[in-house]
Amino acid sequence: DIQMTQSPSSLSASVGDRVIITCRASQNIDNYLSWYQQKPGKAPSLLIYAGSSLRSGVPSRFSGSGSGTDFTLTISGLQPEDFATYYCQQSYNPYTFGQGTKLEIK
Amino acid sequence: QVLLVESGGGVVQPGRSLRLSCEASGFTFSSYGMHWVRQAPGKGLEWVAVVSDDGTYKYYADSVQGRFTISKDISKNKLYLQMNSLRAEDTAVYYCAKVGEYCTATTCYTPFDDWGQGTLVTVSS
Repeated sequence: DIQMTQSPSSLSASVGDRVIITCRASQNIDNYLSWYQQKPGKAPSLLIYAGSSLRSGVPSRFSGSGSGTDFTLTISGLQPEDFATYYCQQSYNPYTFGQGTKLEIK
Repeated sequence: QVLLVESGGGVVQPGRSLRLSCEASGFTFSSYGMHWVRQAPGKGLEWVAVVSDDGTYKYYADSVQGRFTISKDISKNKLYLQMNSLRAEDTAVYYCAKVGEYCTATTCYTPFDDWGQGTLVTVSS
């Protein structure tokens, strides 16, 4: 099975900061990589698919990059509503989530 | 808009069975595959199972293979997860999620693009 490893596991930042979350796959997954945001007590929601494509309606401060085994999620100009847990997920074979990155207010 | 509503969760003893349902609306249910994803208390997300748009293709995580069965009733716009031989480690919030389809000229990507609110399953004696 393909393992997905996110770093860091947790992160403290301030409103207005730029943060980067990384996700590494245990083998090549081309760009079959999505990012999700989950707030406490809520279901996850899709932010980015195909490594870098922003889902319609998602703010442009979110961006994704990468291909192969290494990927990043960048949030430029953190807003109060962005403090949440973020998961990467591969759909190359078959489906695996990263362990999550909890983004907290500093 | 897409709406997915899970039901059927509850407290069940180890070794017993439970069936979860997910009622779908706001899209053509017969045209999309569907997933079940679970999240143990305080833990991350774990993919459980997927069923194809027409219900014929099914695939499971190793952790539930042989114990869980995913199915969809297109006439009722409902997705199901039959869970047998339940274990304590199956305790989780179970989410249904719709397979998204985002295609370029050469490739289609299938993220989990809409999710239900989840239903809690607790396996305990």
